Amino acid sequence: GAGVSQSPSNKVTEKGKDVELRCDPISGHTALYWYRQSLGQGLEFLIYFQGNSAPDKSGLPSDRFSAERTGGSVSTLTIQRTQQEDSAVYLCASTRGPSPYNEQFFGPGTRLTVL
Amino acid sequence: GQNIDQPTEMTATEGAIVQINCTYQTSGFNGLFWYQQHAGEAPTFLSYNVLDGLEEKGRFSSFLSRSKGYSYLLLKELQMKDSASYLCAVRDMVKAAGNKLTFGGGTRVLVKP
Repeated sequence: GAGVSQSPSNKVTEKGKDVELRCDPISGHTALYWYRQSLGQGLEFLIYFQGNSAPDKSGLPSDRFSAERTGGSVSTLTIQRTQQEDSAVYLCASTRGPSPYNEQFFGPGTRLTVL
Repeated sequence: GQNIDQPTEMTATEGAIVQINCTYQTSGFNGLFWYQQHAGEAPTFLSYNVLDGLEEKGRFSSFLSRSKGYSYLLLKELQMKDSASYLCAVRDMVKAAGNKLTFGGGTRVLVKP
């Protein structure tokens, strides 16, 4: 597709359940980022992929959060044993590469609600 | 670490000018971005500054002073569709972090008729 896509657009889950969020970056973009945006807050960095490797996982808030990327394309963010504080919009972004001059293109996000 | 501050909300009249300030205190600096985000939508890129000075792009301009840790986004000839949140973001200088951005809380701009 022309842009970054994410699925699902909305996810409602019960506390304690696991969820998987998917990101399809722009074709050919080697760098991929996950961010989280809580209500009324700025974007919070979670993890960065270059190809299938994650050189920076420093933003993952706990070991319940993990992410992987396969084939240098699709990425999945998994949250285990969800808690209410995990409720947020999860945004994915991609760039052509790690060059400083590449802007990040964002997907529409997945709105996660943990009941 | 990074600390980025911007006002929470601003109100302006259609046709007027609004200036959104952003100050940052960072351990490293490798460029500053401004993004626009309409409610419920993805952020979209507006501007990028890495050197001091003013970058103009149509009705939008962005200014950077690295020595002062300061940037502003100037929106001219405001239109109703400019009502949105404007996000200031600083890029980390750490190579391993790629293009990781640290965002401010965003400034919600409300344009009134």
